[in-house]
Amino acid sequence: SSELTQDPAVSVALGQTVRITCQGDSLRDYYVSWYQQKPGQAPELVIYGKNNRPSGIPDRFSGSSSGNTASLTITGAQAEDEADYYCNSRDTSGNHVVFGGGTKLTVL
Amino acid sequence: QLQLQESGSGLVKPSQTLSLTCGVSGGSINSGGYSWNWIRQPPGKGLEWIGHVFHGGSTYYNPSLKGRVTISEDRSKNDFSLTLNSVTAADTAVYYCARENFLAATGFDFWGQGILVTVSS
Repeated sequence: SSELTQDPAVSVALGQTVRITCQGDSLRDYYVSWYQQKPGQAPELVIYGKNNRPSGIPDRFSGSSSGNTASLTITGAQAEDEADYYCNSRDTSGNHVVFGGGTKLTVL
Repeated sequence: QLQLQESGSGLVKPSQTLSLTCGVSGGSINSGGYSWNWIRQPPGKGLEWIGHVFHGGSTYYNPSLKGRVTISEDRSKNDFSLTLNSVTAADTAVYYCARENFLAATGFDFWGQGILVTVSS
């Protein structure tokens, strides 16, 4: 079982804003990273740290965190954003990496 | 640009040992501040962290793998390896290697393409 909890599925209308959340006790102490995974591809880092985007990631992707909950927000979702999204951080010991169960985003 | 590439057997018999290697190019695994990780994804399921090795050889593993896993680095070849013993069908997955910028906490910034390993007789 994962120590980070994500909603299994979320949908958003094209061009609208969607928030994907990740909950876990360790998030009070450690930053979360977010990954996008499209079918048949390796995951790709989209957000890390407080709210940082790797080079090449559109600025419609942003991250935030409060207490034990982190969020990935896509402002103006595009068809190409339809994918699985995973959060990751440390467990409460800090020694091990954990992933959320993933959220399947559908763009309608 | 850093590149990671998994290699190894794609078919392993039950109870035997899974062995994979991640070749690293465009950078050195000797660079401080990074961890070198193995992550797997069973078909149709989510990501599971297996473990990592740091520069210098220290390792941490997912407790759920109950001592079946070993990750090691080979600085002379600039690669790192995964060994998973006593495999069962539940170990069938796509196995990824990935780099984490551990000190800067920037997540897994580079990934291999993944290799499908099937456990079957």
